[in-house]
Amino acid sequence: DAGVTQSPTHLIKTRGQQVTLRCSPISGHKSVSWYQQVLGQGPQFIFQYYEKEERGRGNFPDRFSARQFPNYSSELNVNALLLGDSALYLCASSSGRGNTGELFFGEGSRLTVL
Amino acid sequence: GQQVMQIPQYQHVQEGEDFTTYCNSSTTLSNIQWYKQRPGGHPVFLIQLVKSGEVKKQKRLTFQFGEAKKNSSLHITATQTTDVGTYFCAGNFNKFYFGSGTKLNVKP
Repeated sequence: DAGVTQSPTHLIKTRGQQVTLRCSPISGHKSVSWYQQVLGQGPQFIFQYYEKEERGRGNFPDRFSARQFPNYSSELNVNALLLGDSALYLCASSSGRGNTGELFFGEGSRLTVL
Repeated sequence: GQQVMQIPQYQHVQEGEDFTTYCNSSTTLSNIQWYKQRPGGHPVFLIQLVKSGEVKKQKRLTFQFGEAKKNSSLHITATQTTDVGTYFCAGNFNKFYFGSGTKLNVKP
């Protein structure tokens, strides 16, 4: 079975642009979470979606938004990019609501903002 | 906001030496998970601890959850070069919040 897949794997944007990152969870997993990992730090929680509804939001500005589709795939959008948004964006899926159980991470989308 | 503190930030050991990383929270956790991230890779789940005082072992790895469910540790006995990577704890405050990680380097 395929694991969590994310696209694109790498991308370069300039300040002020917008970006959309995509995630396909493991088949059967209904919960998707997004994390931002800056180099040398731990993953920081951005959003969690379960059954297409937002179940949690981390301490990120409104420039960050996400949604989950009926097939449980998800998109993370970031508007008005800043240099500080440069990071590895990780998507994780889990079989439950996300409060318990193993998080399965994708390989991530590495965003560079110039 | 919710925070999970993890120490040390870095650990360099000689192959065969032991290694321990510690995780602390100011509030009680529902459960705690541990992940390993190899250089250039993504976090991979190692274990979840749920009960107060729980101890779990995976070969050379020993995981402990404190009695108050506010702290946890990961101990590796007789490190090997394959243990190289960053170890993260993730505390559950209704959502998982990751510590800053301990980067382990093992010299052969």
